[in-house]
Amino acid sequence: QVQLQESGPGLVKPSETLSLTCIVSGGSISSYYWSWIRQPAGKGLEWIGRIYASGNTNYNPSLKSRVTMSVDTSKNQFSLKLSSLTAADTAVYYCAKGTRITILGVYYYYGMDVWGQGTTVTVAS
Amino acid sequence: DIQMTQSPSSLSASVGDRVTITCRASQSISNYLNWYQQKPGKAPKLLISTTSSLQSGVPSRFSGSASGTDFTLTISSLQPEDFATYYCQQSYSSPDTFGQGTKVEIK
Repeated sequence: QVQLQESGPGLVKPSETLSLTCIVSGGSISSYYWSWIRQPAGKGLEWIGRIYASGNTNYNPSLKSRVTMSVDTSKNQFSLKLSSLTAADTAVYYCAKGTRITILGVYYYYGMDVWGQGTTVTVAS
Repeated sequence: DIQMTQSPSSLSASVGDRVTITCRASQSISNYLNWYQQKPGKAPKLLISTTSSLQSGVPSRFSGSASGTDFTLTISSLQPEDFATYYCQQSYSSPDTFGQGTKVEIK
C-alpha cells in the first residue's frame, strides 16, 4: 500500500522559493504519475501540476513560470519548487499519486487515489 | 482551461436522504471526471474515477453517471459519515481543474 508524506518548511518569506518533498513508501515511484495540489484555508483545491517517473511534467499555466517539479527514483521521492512567493501562496500543499494510460500515443489520467496528509505553508515575513 | 461548474455549493440533508451533486464541464472531457470527498482537516479521498468507477472500499451507496458534459455524484442513502465537502475534477486535459466544491451538511 503506497503512502505519501510531504516535508518542507512551514514558514517561508515573501519573494523566496518554497521547496517541498514527497516521500513515497510502500511502492515504487515508477509507473505512476505524481501530483501537487494546494488548498488555501477555507477554499477549494488548486492543481499545481504533475510529474511522471520519466520526468515528463504538466504544470498549471497560472503557476508555470514559478513551478519546477522533479523526481528522484533512487530515493523514491519527488519534489516541488515554487519561486517568488507571495501571501497568496499560503495554503495546505498536498502530494498525490495517480495512474495514467496511453491510447494511440496520447496520455489519459485517472483520478488521484493516494494523497499525503498535507503540509501547511505560510508565506510571511 | 476547462471550467468545472459544480452545484449546489452547499446542501442540507438528513440521514437516509438521496443526495445528488452535479458537475458541468465547459467542453467535452470524455469520461475523465473524478469525485473526491474531503472532511475537515483531512486530505481529499478519491471516491469515483472516470465518471463511474467506484474505488475499492468505497460504499456502494455512492455512484457516478454522466450525460454529455454533465456529471452526477449520487449518494443513495446519506449516512452520518458522509457529511463532508465533495469535489469533482477533470483529468482529461491539462491543467486538471476542480469544481468549487459542495458542502453536505446535516439538516
